[in-house]
Amino acid sequence: DAGITQSPRHKVTETGTPVTLRCHQTENHRYMYWYRQDPGHGLRLIHYSYGVKDTDKGEVSDGYSVSRSKTEDFLLTLESATSSQTSVYFCAINTGEVGSYNEQFFGPGTRLTVL
Amino acid sequence: GQQVMQIPQYQHVQEGEDFTTYCNSSTTLSNIQWYKQRPGGHPVFLIQLVKSGEVKKQKRLTFQFGEAKKNSSLHITATQTTDVGTYFCAGPRNAGNNRKLIWGLGTSLAVNP
Repeated sequence: DAGITQSPRHKVTETGTPVTLRCHQTENHRYMYWYRQDPGHGLRLIHYSYGVKDTDKGEVSDGYSVSRSKTEDFLLTLESATSSQTSVYFCAINTGEVGSYNEQFFGPGTRLTVL
Repeated sequence: GQQVMQIPQYQHVQEGEDFTTYCNSSTTLSNIQWYKQRPGGHPVFLIQLVKSGEVKKQKRLTFQFGEAKKNSSLHITATQTTDVGTYFCAGPRNAGNNRKLIWGLGTSLAVNP
């Protein structure tokens, strides 16, 4: 699975607290993505990165920020968690290799509950 | 805006029956991917189709990409309980690069043994 890990795997937090989720990859892939998955909404892109310090917003970026200071790590931060951010969060990569297209490979996910 | 729609949303079958899910895009796609997500798991890349009219097989799974590159299908022959999960199609977003995908909402398959 392209050596992708996510931490923590489960987290329960309270409204208003900051939360940081980590995605780590071991193979220096260029593109990284953060999604949230909710029933009835499928996979929605939060933020993505196309290189170190190169990030951009996805379709549901409000309330989230990201950072990528190293190729291998892509951090997602909820500055002040709200109950609407209770979800399963997936990190994904695209290798960016010549000859590849848009296929993405996913980490195991983080289940976040905001009380 | 650009949309990818999948039908049906849910499907229950008896083990041994065939299953098909359809994916329809509002725009022409340069390529399309299919993913499977088991309950409680993460999406797993199954296959990518690139050419108009392309057909690819993986054991009991047959994937097709339409001639106009706006639709695709996944057909499973003689379903097994191991086929349970949600099947997603996805294609590249038109705007910009960075290999972003637009996703269908998925078809959830339940198989009765």
